Amino acid sequence: NAGVTQTPKFRVLKTGQSMTLLCAQDMNHEYMYWYRQDPGMGLRLIHYSVGEGTTAKGEVPDGYNVSRLKKQNFLLGLESAAPSQTSVYFCASSGLAGAARWFGPGTRLTVT
Amino acid sequence: SQQGEEDPQALSIQEGENATMNCSYKTSINNLQWYRQNSGRGLVHLILIRSNEREKHSGRLRVTLDTSKKSSSLLITASRAADTASYFCATDLRMDSSYKLIFGSGTRLLVRP
Repeated sequence: NAGVTQTPKFRVLKTGQSMTLLCAQDMNHEYMYWYRQDPGMGLRLIHYSVGEGTTAKGEVPDGYNVSRLKKQNFLLGLESAAPSQTSVYFCASSGLAGAARWFGPGTRLTVT
Repeated sequence: SQQGEEDPQALSIQEGENATMNCSYKTSINNLQWYRQNSGRGLVHLILIRSNEREKHSGRLRVTLDTSKKSSSLLITASRAADTASYFCATDLRMDSSYKLIFGSGTRLLVRP
C-alpha cells in the first residue's frame, strides 16, 4: 500500500496564478484533511472531508477551495495565489473520526 | 494562541539518555496524539491516548496524560541518533460531524551520537 500520496512535491507560483494539489489514499479512509505548516508553527487545518462528496472549513480556509469527488482523492485548489500562501501543505486521512491521522509527504509551495 | 504548547522548544541530549517532552492544552479533549516529523518529511503517528487513560506505552515511548492539569508528557527512553526529529502533540476536539486535531508548535529533539 502506498498510504497517502501527494502531487506535486514542489511548486513555484507567481502571485495570481492558480493550481491544484492532489491527495490520494489507498486505505479506504472516510476522513481526509488538508493542513499547512509554516516555520516555527504547528500544522493548521485548512479544510476537511468526512466522506465522498462532503467538504467543510477548518481553521484557515480563506483563499482555498477543496473537492472530494472520489473517496480516495481530496483536491486542494488555490484560485489566485498570494505570497502568504507560501507554505508546506500536508494531506492526511483517518479511518474514523478522532483516530490517528496518516500523513502524506507534503507539497512545498512557494508564491513569488 | 495554540491549544497545545510543547516544552521545551528544543532539546539536545546524548545517545542513550532519556528525552522528555511536555505538552499543555487549554480545553477538554477527546484524545491527545503525539507525532514525529523528520526533517523535510511528513508526520508519523506515534501514540494516541484517550481522555480516560493516564499512561500508555509503545516500545521505548511512554506517554502520560493528566486531564486535571491539562498536560501530557512523552518520554523516549534510551534515545538513539535516529530519534532526532521534531515531536508534536495534537489535541483532538469534537467539531461538528468530525474531530479537529490541533497541533502545537513542536519540540525539536537532537540526539548526539
